Amino acid sequence: EAQVTQNPRYLITVTGKKLTVTCSQNMNHEYMSWYRQDPGLGLRQIYYSMNVEVTDKGDVPEGYKVSRKEKRNFPLILESPSPNQTSLYFCASGTYEQYFGPGTRLTVT
Amino acid sequence: QQQVKQSPQSLIVQKGGISIINCAYENTAFDYFPWYQQFPGKGPALLIAIRPDVSEKKEGRFTISFNKSAKQFSLHIMDSQPGDSATYFCAASKRNAGNNRKLIWGLGTSLAVNP
Repeated sequence: EAQVTQNPRYLITVTGKKLTVTCSQNMNHEYMSWYRQDPGLGLRQIYYSMNVEVTDKGDVPEGYKVSRKEKRNFPLILESPSPNQTSLYFCASGTYEQYFGPGTRLTVT
Repeated sequence: QQQVKQSPQSLIVQKGGISIINCAYENTAFDYFPWYQQFPGKGPALLIAIRPDVSEKKEGRFTISFNKSAKQFSLHIMDSQPGDSATYFCAASKRNAGNNRKLIWGLGTSLAVNP
């Protein structure tokens, strides 16, 4: 079954404590991306990756890092989370048709 | 500046009615227009998509109408059912420099179908 997995699904953390959200896809897609979803703001792209070791900023990259060491994995790193990063995060893979993960609800207090 | 403008923000339809969601874009470089459906607690999933060389695409109860000259496209849900209650996103895709594709999203429409 084609799928994108994310972990954790829910996370409550404190300001400044580094965290990583993992993302993995089993469709051999070259293109992967991270989005955040906030009420009234829709889906905003944080970072994307066109292939292994190729990443680039999306529309709202500040405060985030990514890496793409393997084709299937694309983790999102928040090195010093702040409350304004409280959001619902989605990983997606694919170019024309994007397959989304189930989401990670992050709360930063 | 929102490159893809979606309306309405929310929509309430009676069971069996027609749901219509509209989107407008400015950039004529867009060449692929998908609609995504998102249920609460889930990620968006591709519902139906169209390319600008056709004016309409139908899949079951879902139809995209595309007006290239007006730079508008819309989603019609015929015989709307309570199970269609979800948030719908339109999007537009274009090729960027470096052989990358950029997907621009509308802000979404929350659809509620009353039984």
